[in-house]
Formats: sequence, C-alpha cells, structure tokens
Amino acid sequence: GAGVSQSPRYKVAKRGQDVALRCDPISGHVSLFWYQQALGQGPEFLTYFQNEAQLDKSGLPSDRFFAERPEGSVSTLKIQRTQQEDSAVYLCASSLVQKGMYEQYFGPGTRLTVT
Amino acid sequence: AQTVTQSQPEMSVQEAETVTLSCTYDTSESNYYLFWYKQPPSRQMILVIRQEAYKQQNATENRFSVNFQKAAKSFSLKISDSQLGDTAMYFCAFRHSGGGADGLTFGKGTHLIIQP
Repeated sequence: GAGVSQSPRYKVAKRGQDVALRCDPISGHVSLFWYQQALGQGPEFLTYFQNEAQLDKSGLPSDRFFAERPEGSVSTLKIQRTQQEDSAVYLCASSLVQKGMYEQYFGPGTRLTVT
Repeated sequence: AQTVTQSQPEMSVQEAETVTLSCTYDTSESNYYLFWYKQPPSRQMILVIRQEAYKQQNATENRFSVNFQKAAKSFSLKISDSQLGDTAMYFCAFRHSGGGADGLTFGKGTHLIIQP
C-alpha cells in the first residue's frame, strides 16, 4: 500500500515568508508526528496528533510554528515569518496506534531552505 | 528528560564484516521502548529493529541484532555479514511507555559506510 507522503519535497523561502508543509499519512493511522531534522543531526520531535486532536506540541520551537489535522487524516505544518534557523528537513510519521512498540512510518521529508 | 547518545559519528567496514553501533540513553523510567532506524541517502527512514525494556531477550531481525544492557542503559546494534546496501545513517531512538510525550527521542546518528 501507499506509504506516508509529503509535499512539497523541496521548498525555498525568503526570510519572512510563510510556508505550509503537507503530510498524507498511511490510511487508517491514528497517530501522526512531525519532526525537524537539522543538517547532520537526528530528528527532533515537534508535535503529535491522535486523530484530529493535537495532544502534544511541546517540541514546537516558537509560536511561529503551527500544525493542524482537522479531519484526522492529512496534516499541515505551517511556519510563519520564516527565519534562517528554520532551514531543516521536516519529517512526518504515522503510526497505527498511539503507544507501545508500534512502528512509526516516516515520509520522505520536506527540505526547507530559508534564504 | 531522556537523552540518547551515539558516540560514533562515522564508521567504515568492509563488506561481509560484522559491525557494532553503540547507543546509550538516560531515563528514570523502568519500562520504555528502544528502536534503531536506518536512513539511506536521500531515502525514507525505516525501522530496523525494536526492543521493549521489560523483555530481557535481545531482539533479532535476520542479520540485525541488539545487545540490550538495561542496567548500563546501553542498546547497541550488531550488523552481521554487512552488505553495500547497509550504507546509511543509523539512529537510535527512545520512546516512553506511558503518558506524556509520545514522540521518539533520537540520537545524533552514526554514518555507516560499507566498503566493497
């Protein structure tokens, strides 16, 4: 079946622009996660959804970052007034259930470059 | 907060050799989950192997196995008979078993290069 997809794959934004990154999880997956991966680093947790509810947004670095999943499937990560430090790969992952050892399936990521 | 440390930024071995990637973590919890993920160049991250802290038996998946030392908070990955396709970044990750943050906490990764 189809895996997790993300769009766009690459995004170049000028500093100060707003961007929206989309994630299509695997159909039926309850849990959805966003991570930020800076160059040469491991992914860092941003936020987590269970269906349409955003249960944890402790990793969002500032109030410029906003995520939503209004119908419990597709999710959008929005970054307002982008800064150079926002340059990173943004990974989306989905999981069939919320907890436990269940595998998180990752998308290919969106590489954001802020100039 | 938990932390995950991978002390080997890069490793290089010859094809068919065995290689061990190290990972240590810090937590005050008694049960949790540990994972190794593989991120090939320009490709999606995929799960290699996972372990529940309550299970004493080390997990194995074909050529991949772990050495889980709970008291030492160590979770190393052994790759036997390494293949060219094993070349990738490898990330060790931790996840809570209970309430609280449900995302994975990753280490910084080890870049594994398999030489022909």
